[in-house]
Amino acid sequence: EAQVTQNPRYLITVTGKKLTVTCSQNMNHEYMSWYRQDPGLGLRQIYYSMNVEVTDKGDVPEGYKVSRKEKRNFPLILESPSPNQTSLYFCASSLSGQGADTQYFGPGTRLTVL
Amino acid sequence: DQQVKQNSPSLSVQEGRISILNCDYTNSMFDYFLWYKKYPAEGPTFLISISSIKDKNEDGRFTVFLNKSAKHLSLHIVPSQPGDSAVYFCAASDAGGTSYGKLTFGQGTILTVHP
Repeated sequence: EAQVTQNPRYLITVTGKKLTVTCSQNMNHEYMSWYRQDPGLGLRQIYYSMNVEVTDKGDVPEGYKVSRKEKRNFPLILESPSPNQTSLYFCASSLSGQGADTQYFGPGTRLTVL
Repeated sequence: DQQVKQNSPSLSVQEGRISILNCDYTNSMFDYFLWYKKYPAEGPTFLISISSIKDKNEDGRFTVFLNKSAKHLSLHIVPSQPGDSAVYFCAASDAGGTSYGKLTFGQGTILTVHP
């Protein structure tokens, strides 16, 4: 089954404790992206990757890091989480990153930073 | 600065009637528009899209209308079914530009269809 998976689905952590949210897709997609969803703001792009070793900032990259060492994986790293990073996070992928490509989303990771 | 706006946080309709969800945008560079549907505890799933060269696109019970001069699009669901109850996100992209697949989303509208 074609899908985007994320782990963990739920995470409660404390300020400053480094964490990684994993994302994996099995569709051989070149483009992957991370979004966060906050009430009243919709989904906002954090980082994206056009292909292996090619990443760039989205609209809200502060406090986040990403890496793309393999085509299927695109982990999101929070080196020193803060309470304002409490949010619902979605990973997405598409074939090539062209604007008309359908993006497929993972099930989401709900993060709470105390 | 919200470039894509869904001004109705929620909409309630009766089963069998029409649901109309609205979306406005401000960035004239947007040339491709999408609607995503989201159920609780799941990620958004693609529903329907429209290119700026069209003013209407239809897929079964779902139709999207685009009014470029007004920078407005709408999603019509006819007839509405209880299974349509979900959060609907409008999204836009600069498909012909250099935004590299970035989707700009609206805030979402919660649709509730009552039996």
